[in-house]
Amino acid sequence: AQKVTQAQTEISVVEKEDVTLDCVYETRDTTYYLFWYKQPPSGELVFLIRRNSFDEQNEISGRYSWNFQKSTSSFNFTITASQVVDSAVYFCALTPGYSSASKIIFGSGTRLSIRP
Amino acid sequence: NAGVMQNPRHLVRRRGQEARLRCSPMKGHSHVYWYRQLPEEGLKFMVYLQKENIIDESGMPKERFSAEFPKEGPSILRIQQVVRGDSAAYFCASSPGRETSGAGAYEQYFGPGTRLTVT
Repeated sequence: AQKVTQAQTEISVVEKEDVTLDCVYETRDTTYYLFWYKQPPSGELVFLIRRNSFDEQNEISGRYSWNFQKSTSSFNFTITASQVVDSAVYFCALTPGYSSASKIIFGSGTRLSIRP
Repeated sequence: NAGVMQNPRHLVRRRGQEARLRCSPMKGHSHVYWYRQLPEEGLKFMVYLQKENIIDESGMPKERFSAEFPKEGPSILRIQQVVRGDSAAYFCASSPGRETSGAGAYEQYFGPGTRLTVT
């Protein structure tokens, strides 16, 4: 079975603090993709990153960074020096990489509130 | 290149009416996926379609829900005799279904969603 767990339902921090959103996944596939999406209050889904299972290199994009560890089946997301505009719901997701029927399995999301 | 388009963006229906949600995939994309997001929850897969074919409908409720993706025109998600529990955001995603430069064959691009409210 495939599953994505985001144990943190809500996080609230003060602006400029660093914050890490946890993501743990389960899959028996050897090839898969992991994603992070942002859903701001306006409701659309904003794609942030896709990482395949063979690439464990951490990635940094501006204030965003991702830590992928296959040994612990985790794909955590860190925002450095958070800003009010980062307030949103963040979803971690998983899809098999081998099949054309690659439906995406989403976690339940973490609601991040950045206080000024 | 226009992104995935969904209309209407907001839809209000009374209990017992029908809801029809439309999704126009990105140009050149032949695969469409529908997801449902209930209030305060993550997105859940409903159905995966290629032109004129349903590939995977494992997430579709057994009754009242149907989907199609005709040879011409948008994909349609149809909900008959809506109930309050159908109130949700419905997202469509499309993928090229073949290798394209810089993206996987099945990279999914999401539309803005249709928010259905059943009163």
